[in-house]
Amino acid sequence: NAGVTQTPKFRILKIGQSMTLQCTQDMNHNYMYWYRQDPGMGLKLIYYSVGAGITDKGEVPNGYNVSRSTTEDFPLRLELAAPSQTSVYFCASSTGQGFSPLHFGNGTRLTVT
Amino acid sequence: GQQLNQSPQSMFIQEGEDVSMNCTSSSIFNTWLWYKQDPGEGPVLLIALYKAGELTSNGRLTAQFGITRKDSFLNISASIPSDVGIYFCAGATLQKLVFGKGTKLTVNP
Repeated sequence: NAGVTQTPKFRILKIGQSMTLQCTQDMNHNYMYWYRQDPGMGLKLIYYSVGAGITDKGEVPNGYNVSRSTTEDFPLRLELAAPSQTSVYFCASSTGQGFSPLHFGNGTRLTVT
Repeated sequence: GQQLNQSPQSMFIQEGEDVSMNCTSSSIFNTWLWYKQDPGEGPVLLIALYKAGELTSNGRLTAQFGITRKDSFLNISASIPSDVGIYFCAGATLQKLVFGKGTKLTVNP
């Protein structure tokens, strides 16, 4: 089991560029999440999904979009990158039953200049 | 909204010392979780607590779910250099998972 896999590990974008952060999990988890982590600020939820075809906004969704066409994949799209989106992005998954702990990927470090 | 106050923000200790950190909230949670994040990696679950008053150990780690359901603590005994990292608490209800801002632990050999 690879768990939760995120690509790329690092990326530098210019202001206004777009990109997709990839996330895939092989644990057959229904629930998937995207968080961003800024220094000293903990983890903020961007979007989440409770199953294929279902997505919902988290705490900080502005500037991002997601889709969930399969159970395994949950890509995060940045359409017009801004410096405020410089952060480390973590994808996570869980079974979603009761409250089940999240399994995290190793993150994507994004810099927007 | 629900917020967690995690303290201390950072700790510098000598190898062999015991460590204690905690999270408090004005809100009630059904589950408390403790994660550790090593540099360049994602958080990894250390301990999950599901019942008020529950005390759970995982090796040198011990965590408790506060009886009021508004707090939790994590203790690390006899620290070693590989304990270095950021420790996050998280409180969960059926609707929401909220993370603390983390405690950065440095262990001097």
